[in-house]
Amino acid sequence: DVQLQESGPGLVKPSQSLSLTCSVTGYSITSGYYWNWIRQFPGNKLEWMGYISYDGSNNYNPSLKNRISITRDTSKNQFFLKLNSVTTEDTATYYCARGENYWGQGTLVTVSA
Amino acid sequence: QIVLTQSPAIMSASPGEKVTITCSASSSVSYMHWFQQKPGTSPKLWIYSTSNLASGVPARFSGSGSGTSYSLTISRMEAEDAATYYCQQRSSYPRTFGGGTKLEIK
Repeated sequence: DVQLQESGPGLVKPSQSLSLTCSVTGYSITSGYYWNWIRQFPGNKLEWMGYISYDGSNNYNPSLKNRISITRDTSKNQFFLKLNSVTTEDTATYYCARGENYWGQGTLVTVSA
Repeated sequence: QIVLTQSPAIMSASPGEKVTITCSASSSVSYMHWFQQKPGTSPKLWIYSTSNLASGVPARFSGSGSGTSYSLTISRMEAEDAATYYCQQRSSYPRTFGGGTKLEIK
């Protein structure tokens, strides 16, 4: 069965970078699908952030402008989120997902000094 | 980007009652997904491509719609259906979600 697991720091200081890892088991990230990052803000609004495709191409939400980067390590079957210049507005639960139907359990990231 | 507006934002229903949640899009979309989320868990794909039930979803759920108007219907409310439901458009990027409908059991 496909499983995704997010990991990374739970606390990030303003102006620094947020970096998260999504570890995937049960399916190769090079075999198919778009591998997404989605976040859920306090108050429960959901925002699609972007994806890295099975072929390595990217698509990002324009609202994140040039702050976001999604990369991967195919040897470890992992993909990564990096969000630069974070503010308190980036406090959210971050999810990785394969397409729309397999999600990780989410990881809460708080941006605070 | 396409803005999705769900209504109502919060509702409660009695067991056995019919429930309808609507999702209005700012531009026409081809298909709509619906997600169910319970507290402390990640969203689950519940209805995909407007009207197809995800694996394990009870048959009392249905989805319909086209263009800018979509809906999720529960024919007879059960306690386990209490959750927050989100619509998501998959017609264009960036993918966008509705604000959610919190459904409570009376």
